[in-house]
Amino acid sequence: EAGVAQSPRYKIIEKRQSVAFWCNPISGHATLYWYQQILGQGPKLLIQFQNNGVVDDSQLPKDRFSAERLKGVDSTLKIQPAKLEDSAVYLCASSLDRGPYEQYFGPGTRLTVT
Amino acid sequence: AQSVTQLDSQVPVFEEAPVELRCNYSSSVSVYLFWYVQYPNQGLQLLLKYLSGSTLVKGINGFEAEFNKSQTSFHLRKPSVHISDTAEYFCAVSGSGSYKLIFGSGTRLLVRP
Repeated sequence: EAGVAQSPRYKIIEKRQSVAFWCNPISGHATLYWYQQILGQGPKLLIQFQNNGVVDDSQLPKDRFSAERLKGVDSTLKIQPAKLEDSAVYLCASSLDRGPYEQYFGPGTRLTVT
Repeated sequence: AQSVTQLDSQVPVFEEAPVELRCNYSSSVSVYLFWYVQYPNQGLQLLLKYLSGSTLVKGINGFEAEFNKSQTSFHLRKPSVHISDTAEYFCAVSGSGSYKLIFGSGTRLLVRP
């Protein structure tokens, strides 16, 4: 079975620019997660979707970050405008459903803001 | 609120030696516990998980972990490590509700020949 796909793998932008990341979860997975992993730290949840609805976005900086999962399948995470502290790896994960199921992670997008 | 502490940022060990990576958690509700491994430039892969039942959990690649409720710990062990086990290991906790994962800061396992 195909895993979680993410693109691009790497992105370099200047501060105040905008950027978007794309994620395609495993087919049939209802729950999708976006995590931010800053160098030297563990991943931190930004937003969780159940189908196309938001379950948890309590740690999403909503003044600059937005995410959508319009058809309950793939998802896009956007940052506008980017700050230096947004430099991180952005990981997408999916699970079969909401619950203590295994989360399958994509390879991530490494963002560098200069 | 839930949290996870991984006290060791790096653990160096010789090949074929045993290893233990420590993880302590705090939570006011019942928890589910996980260990993930991250190889360079890759996403995270589940090693093992504790949901309920037996406190000794066996995972992939010869790893195991023991859930200790009284000490709020979930330490990861392997009796004999290989060079290929060199990676970053993350302990994580989740609970009912959103079931989101709360990760520790990670432990880098460095296996030397």
